Amino acid sequence: DGGITQSPKYLFRKEGQNVTLSCEQNLNHDAMYWYRQDPGQGLRLIYYSQIVNDFQKGDIAEGYSVSREKKESFPLTVTSAQKNPTAFYLCASSSSGRAATGELFFGEGSRLTVL
Amino acid sequence: AQSVAQPEDQVNVAEGNPLTVKCTYSVSGNPYLFWYVQYPNRGLQFLLKYITGDNLVKGSYGFEAEFNKSQTSFHLKKPSALVSDSALYFCAVRDTGFQKLVFGTGTRLLVSP
Repeated sequence: DGGITQSPKYLFRKEGQNVTLSCEQNLNHDAMYWYRQDPGQGLRLIYYSQIVNDFQKGDIAEGYSVSREKKESFPLTVTSAQKNPTAFYLCASSSSGRAATGELFFGEGSRLTVL
Repeated sequence: AQSVAQPEDQVNVAEGNPLTVKCTYSVSGNPYLFWYVQYPNRGLQFLLKYITGDNLVKGSYGFEAEFNKSQTSFHLKKPSALVSDSALYFCAVRDTGFQKLVFGTGTRLLVSP
């Protein structure tokens, strides 16, 4: 079945450590996104990528980094510079181009807890 | 910038009663509007979207939404609520220039038996 796979589902990290969240899609979508979800704040965009080897900062990119070496993969690294990394992280993808209407397809999320 | 507002943090409704979850939007140009649902510790699931055409949009699980241009609203509705509809609902609008979505803060729907 086509879809988006995020791993791990739950992750614990000590302060000062970097951690990488995996996101893989087999929907043949060009665009991929990372959102952060905190209670009462909705979803906030961290980074997005329209095409392989290209990505742009979203609204809250500080303390995060991404890469887009393959169409299927868009990993997110939460660095030690992120001051409040405990959150639920959601990866999404969408088709692009003139026919696209912007509907996003989401993974099941990764919950990061900093101890 | 495009934005949406969900004025209610929580909506309570009895099973079998109609439900409405409110959303208002602010956009330049024609809006592309979406509703998503999220169950605990899960990703978001797409319910429906408005791009153009009929103001009443039908979606998944019996949900529908009414686009009202004069009131800049896109309220989610269902004629008869189920306990299983209890979840977090997000309204979203497509941002200009690229199809990334801007989300509201979410509304928790609680349907009591």
